[in-house]
Amino acid sequence: DAKTTQPPSMDCAEGRAANLPCNHSTISGNEYVYWYRQIHSQGPQYIIHGLKNNETNEMASLIITEDRKSSTLILPHATLRDTAVYYCIVSRRDKLIFGTGTRLQVFP
Amino acid sequence: NAGVTQTPKFQVLKTGQSMTLQCAQDMNHEYMSWYRQDPGMGLRLIHYSVGAGITDQGEVPNGYNVSRSTTEDFPLRLLSAAPSQTSVYFCASGKSLSSYNEQFFGPGTRLTVL
Repeated sequence: DAKTTQPPSMDCAEGRAANLPCNHSTISGNEYVYWYRQIHSQGPQYIIHGLKNNETNEMASLIITEDRKSSTLILPHATLRDTAVYYCIVSRRDKLIFGTGTRLQVFP
Repeated sequence: NAGVTQTPKFQVLKTGQSMTLQCAQDMNHEYMSWYRQDPGMGLRLIHYSVGAGITDQGEVPNGYNVSRSTTEDFPLRLLSAAPSQTSVYFCASGKSLSSYNEQFFGPGTRLTVL
């Protein structure tokens, strides 16, 4: 499974868009990009996933570059409850290998 | 649906003791897995199962045993607890073999080994 690189921390003002980057330069053709988040010490929560095309759901949007070597998770209107650690994971098999993620702090 | 449930929520063991962490899901998911999370770290995969009777090792399997006799349950056994196994343990379940892999996580078991 390809490895990912994320910034260790980011800040975002409440109500603004939060853009979380992820590099996965060794991704292979059949590997998906997944995003999970972990709020405080709870179990991780699925956010979104994608293969090639950009994806959007009620929580977020996922933008994948054309060469698939990087992606960006977008929370369009961040709230204080979005403060969490966000994990970008690349996998083609059933197992998800977590990195250390990005700690997003949303401030008032 | 209750989703993924884990018991106990908290546990304190002495070095050398054994115990089983319980995990159950009621979503008829074929895939289940166990992770541990040490303070300030990401999750590390211990063991996983793609169906009843089938298990495999993850990143950090040493010191842990698993079995999968039913679709619903996936217990994690610590045979001889060590302080290095102090951690928060998360169980997760997901749909069968597929590239679409949304996993549902339980609330975790916080284990301290003295």
